Amino acid sequence: EAQVTQNPRYLITVTGKKLTVTCSQNMNHEYMSWYRQDPGLGLRQIYYSMNVEVTDKGDVPEGYKVSRKEKRNFPLILESPSPNQTSLYFCASSLKPGNHLYGYTFGSGTRLTVV
Amino acid sequence: GNSVTQMEGPVTLSEEAFLTINCTYTATGYPSLFWYVQYPGEGLQLLLKATKADDKGSNKGFEATYRKETTSFHLEKGSVQVSDSAVYFCALSLEGYQKVTFGTGTKLQVIP
Repeated sequence: EAQVTQNPRYLITVTGKKLTVTCSQNMNHEYMSWYRQDPGLGLRQIYYSMNVEVTDKGDVPEGYKVSRKEKRNFPLILESPSPNQTSLYFCASSLKPGNHLYGYTFGSGTRLTVV
Repeated sequence: GNSVTQMEGPVTLSEEAFLTINCTYTATGYPSLFWYVQYPGEGLQLLLKATKADDKGSNKGFEATYRKETTSFHLEKGSVQVSDSAVYFCALSLEGYQKVTFGTGTKLQVIP
């Protein structure tokens, strides 16, 4: 089944404790992206990747890191999480950058709480 | 810049009622337009899309027509069901741009 898989689905952590949210897609998509969803703000892009070893900042990159060492994986790293990073996170992928014709395939989300 | 404006929710309808969720956009160029649906506890799923003016996207009884003259892409369904209760996001994408721009979402609640 074609899908984007995120793990974990739920995570509660403490301020300052490094964490990684994994994202993997099995569709050979070139483009991958991370979004966070907050009430009243909709979806905001954190980072994106046009292909292996190519990543760039989205609208709200502060406090996050990413890497794209393999085409299928795009982990999101929070080096020192803070309570304002409590949010619902989504990984998404698309066949090509630009998404002009294809749209995204989304993962099921990771609900992160930082206390 | 590019932006998408959706009607604020929540929208509450009785089963079998007619649904319209308004969406207007601002874009430099000619975007592709999308509606995504997010069911409770799940990720977003692509519901329908239209890639040029006057195109009509349709899926699962939902329809939306790309109106260039009014820069709109309103979502409609003739008869909603309880199972349609979800959050609906309008979005746009431009050729050559790496990013999809989303609206803030409209929550739909359908009551029996």
